[in-house]
Amino acid sequence: KQEVTQIPAALSVPEGENLVLNCSFTDSAIYNLQWFRQDPGKGLTSLLLIQSSQREQTSGRLNASLDKSSGRSTLYIAASQPGDSATYLCAVLDSNYQLIWGAGTKLIIKP
Amino acid sequence: SAVISQKPSRDICQRGTSLTIQCQVDSQVTMMFWYRQQPGQSLTLIATANQGSEATYESGFVIDKFPISRPNLTFSTLTVSNMSPEDSSIYLCSVEEGAGSQAFFGQGTRLTVV
Repeated sequence: KQEVTQIPAALSVPEGENLVLNCSFTDSAIYNLQWFRQDPGKGLTSLLLIQSSQREQTSGRLNASLDKSSGRSTLYIAASQPGDSATYLCAVLDSNYQLIWGAGTKLIIKP
Repeated sequence: SAVISQKPSRDICQRGTSLTIQCQVDSQVTMMFWYRQQPGQSLTLIATANQGSEATYESGFVIDKFPISRPNLTFSTLTVSNMSPEDSSIYLCSVEEGAGSQAFFGQGTRLTVV
């Protein structure tokens, strides 16, 4: 059974720092991995999608990597800003075409 | 990318009543999903609603409690029936434009049952 883990559960860093969020999954048989952002009490915004055949995707200050064989993905945020404060969720699309979700990392960027 | 409008954005309801949440998509999509996110938790899939067929419910969710309609390729509703305080959650609709494609979400409905 696929399980997705995100570490750390919460992270607080000063503005301007680069940071890495981690996502691990137990079964490498995935179709893709997605990173989402969720602001408090709101819906989810899709940030990046990495297909299983890809190694990384970039969008602006965000870079997501995927190492399927080791069951890991990272989300790198460069030059963090207070507006980046949110909960970041990763989800893998498993062999049954179901999205399996991590519990999220709550990120706080201190001005 | 699909744009999803979800209504209401929040509501406070009395126990024993029902609430219907609407999800409108700006394009035709085959696959639509309803999720629940309880306080401090991640997302749990309630059901998959594909147009032209009955919704498929995940373990722990039943049609009598969460009836779903999917009358066309751009619209769906989820009803939370006979509510209790344990139903207080954020409810989210999501669409995928094809199997394995990027998932898009509505703004969520924050439900509080008192």
